[in-house]
Amino acid sequence: DTAVSQTPKYLVTQMGNDKSIKCEQNLGHDTMYWYKQDSKKFLKIMFSYNNKELIINETVPNRFSPKSPDKAHLNLHINSLELGDSAVYFCASSQDRVVNTEAFFGQGTRLTVV
Amino acid sequence: GQSLEQPSEVTAVEGAIVQINCTYQTSGFYGLSWYQQHDGGAPTFLSYNALDGLEETGRFSSFLSRSDSYGYLLLQELQMKDSASYFCAVRGGGATNKLIFGTGTLLAVQP
Repeated sequence: DTAVSQTPKYLVTQMGNDKSIKCEQNLGHDTMYWYKQDSKKFLKIMFSYNNKELIINETVPNRFSPKSPDKAHLNLHINSLELGDSAVYFCASSQDRVVNTEAFFGQGTRLTVV
Repeated sequence: GQSLEQPSEVTAVEGAIVQINCTYQTSGFYGLSWYQQHDGGAPTFLSYNALDGLEETGRFSSFLSRSDSYGYLLLQELQMKDSASYFCAVRGGGATNKLIFGTGTLLAVQP
């Protein structure tokens, strides 16, 4: 069983479309994250949820909306996609958000906006 | 602000030893972690230092000096499969305690 799974792995779409990426973890972790990795490999945190509660919302355009129906799932919906949204999006989870515990990452979703 | 700086690229040959440095600036500190990411793959956890000193895990060791806000990852007996990007990471402290990653170091191991 994959610990953190996200779908789809690849997503190619046109500017202006709306798309969603789903993420599920079966580790029983309390905290989940969305990271964006750009072409220079920089991993930037976007959102973090702890037990379904939003605790981190970085300076991300409000076209990006996370949703956590339960603590095992954290989905990312993106409205009105722009060329600059092209990147790899990683979902991750960790046991908690206090100690620097290991974060487990999903396989990533490579989003290409054309 | 909060930042972690690493060299952008390091090149070494098989069998050699390489050190990847990380200097950090954060409002709080709960230890330094290291992650490995192969091209096209996901970051995977390598090590964690909460206290000063050296932690060894097989061919990989990680060092932390909290007074210097500095750490490094040491890779010994390099193998071709070690070619990857390496990231240091810290918890940023504060109310959100977010997990922040360094700028990443691309290690190229040559035969």
